[in-house]
Amino acid sequence: GNSVTQMEGPVTLSEEAFLTINCTYTATGYPSLFWYVQYPGEGLQLLLKATKADDKGSNKGFEATYRKETTSFHLEKGSVQVSDSAVYFCALMGRETSGSRLTFGEGTQLTVNP
Amino acid sequence: NAGVTQTPKFQVLKTGQSMTLQCAQDMNHEYMSWYRQDPGMGLRLIHYSVGAGITDQGEVPNGYNVSRSTTEDFPLRLLSAAPSQTSVYFCASGGHYEKLFFGSGTQLSVL
Repeated sequence: GNSVTQMEGPVTLSEEAFLTINCTYTATGYPSLFWYVQYPGEGLQLLLKATKADDKGSNKGFEATYRKETTSFHLEKGSVQVSDSAVYFCALMGRETSGSRLTFGEGTQLTVNP
Repeated sequence: NAGVTQTPKFQVLKTGQSMTLQCAQDMNHEYMSWYRQDPGMGLRLIHYSVGAGITDQGEVPNGYNVSRSTTEDFPLRLLSAAPSQTSVYFCASGGHYEKLFFGSGTQLSVL
């Protein structure tokens, strides 16, 4: 079945540091890949997505590239801000399943200190 | 522009009680789903629906029931609450094979 593995957290960085959160996946076929972000006390919001190999999703300075050869979708940001503190979830949507079923990773808590 | 609305935001139950978590969306999405979020486990799918009158089980369906009588509403019923159901519950909706929109969550404690 489908699965997503994220790097273990939590991650603590200083403002303006470089961020990488690793994400690898196992899936049959050609899934779509997503990063969702959850700010304290809120629901999940889509951060970025990629629907096919070599696609790069980007939003708010965050980027992730769909790498089929390494089955990865690592999240990066060149300079983090305190406002980026949140929990980040990597997820995949397989085409072989019904509807829009998302499989999530465990989530990575990011704290950015001033 | 409400999106996905969940009620209540917080709930405390005693073991054995029943309750219904409400979810409504105003985006005319055919797909709706319920997830539970537990520390270190990400979000796990409980039940989902691909349209009115159609529901199916996800990864962790035991102890929960759903129905989908309208496109807009997708309530989640706990038949006899157990401490293992203490969690944060999220409802989500979307178009088929499109991104999901999430509600703000319901924090449930079962004592």
